[in-house]
Formats: sequence, structure tokens, C-alpha cells
Amino acid sequence: DSGVTQTPKHLITATGQRVTLRCSPRSGDLSVYWYQQSLDQGLQFLIQYYNGEERAKGNILERFSAQQFPDLHSELNLSSLELGDSALYFCASSGRGWGGELFFGEGSRLTVL
Amino acid sequence: AQTVTQSQPEMSVQEAETVTLSCTYDTSESDYYLFWYKQPPSRQMILVIRQEAYKQQNATENRFSVNFQKAAKSFSLKISDSQLGDAAMYFCAYRSADYGGSQGNLIFGKGTKLSVKP
Repeated sequence: DSGVTQTPKHLITATGQRVTLRCSPRSGDLSVYWYQQSLDQGLQFLIQYYNGEERAKGNILERFSAQQFPDLHSELNLSSLELGDSALYFCASSGRGWGGELFFGEGSRLTVL
Repeated sequence: AQTVTQSQPEMSVQEAETVTLSCTYDTSESDYYLFWYKQPPSRQMILVIRQEAYKQQNATENRFSVNFQKAAKSFSLKISDSQLGDAAMYFCAYRSADYGGSQGNLIFGKGTKLSVKP
């Protein structure tokens, strides 16, 4: 158990819809990262938050947005969903003094029909 | 920008044998971390081994060891006495070491799919 919790684990929705994925980082970790993994692909970095502030952006579409709340949990919002958005979305967290490792949640599998 | 390259999309090894997965990276930084993550069919990301760039000694974790060549920017993973449970996708990853604040994100290679034959 990494200590990172993601909900929901599975989500099936239709094109054009909007979904929200939630992530609770490990206790005390200030940084949260979101990654997207499409079928048989590597992990693509989407966005990073540090203590409530956006710190870095990767290949995140304009239809996607995220935020980190004062209690440090984070949400990734995906709107106007397309078939190509079907993927496994990982959240990870990190803290200082842990050797640089990111701790990953089990992922949220999104299927867009 | 940093990049990570895994040139072997698939590898196969006989149970109990040894296999080496290759990884090269490109960076202009002098201080960073390198990792190997394992992703089994369950899709969970599991840390296998880490290496701090400032350490010359190669990291070892039980049957897993790395060959870190900083000048060549090479970071290979050796799995000894391969087991059926080692079958998975293996990702090499790079991360900057930023001691002034939040550290950067992990940059992943495309992965190597390892099969273990009984």
C-alpha cells in the first residue's frame, strides 16, 4: 500500500460528458502529480501541484483541469470527453527526504463509450 | 528538456536466468535521481530500485541491481534468478533533484515488456 488513494477505481461514461477523479496523497506529502497512461503506452505527465499551487504542466489538454485543495487532496476534471480520453489516470505524491521517489495510487480507469 | 529512452520494447528471459534491461537518458543537470518502476498486469506502479546521481556505487535490491554509468548517461537494470512474478512492464524514469523546493515530476521511458518463460 503506497498510501495514495484514488477514487473511483473504474469509471465508464459517454462522449461529451464530464468526470472528476480524486486523489488523496500520502500523509504529509505536499506534491501531487497526475499522469495519463493510454493502452500499452508509457506514462504521460499531466500536471503537478505543490501545497495548493500549480507547479508544472505537461501534456494536459485544455479540456482537462486540476486543483489541489487546502487539505492537500487533488481533483482532476476531464470535460467534453472523447473516445481517446479512455486511459488509466494515475495520481502520485512525494515529500522531501524520501529519496526522490514518487508514490503512486492504484489509478482510475476511465472508459469513454 | 530531459529525455529517457528504452530501446527494447520487449524482452524475454528463461526462469532462473539473468536479464538486463537498457535505459539511456539525456540531461544537462548534475544532480538527479534515476528509477526503475515495475508495472505488473494489475497496472500498479511499483518502485524496483533507485539511484542517486551523486553516488558512484551502483544500487542493489535483492535480485535487482543497476549499472549506472553517469558519463555515458546509461542506467541499466539487471534481474538475477528471474522469477515468473518478474513478468511485467518495466519503466525507467528520471527526476531532477531540487533541494530548494518541490521536486520535479518523473520523466518516463516508453517501457520494456519482460516475459519470463518457465
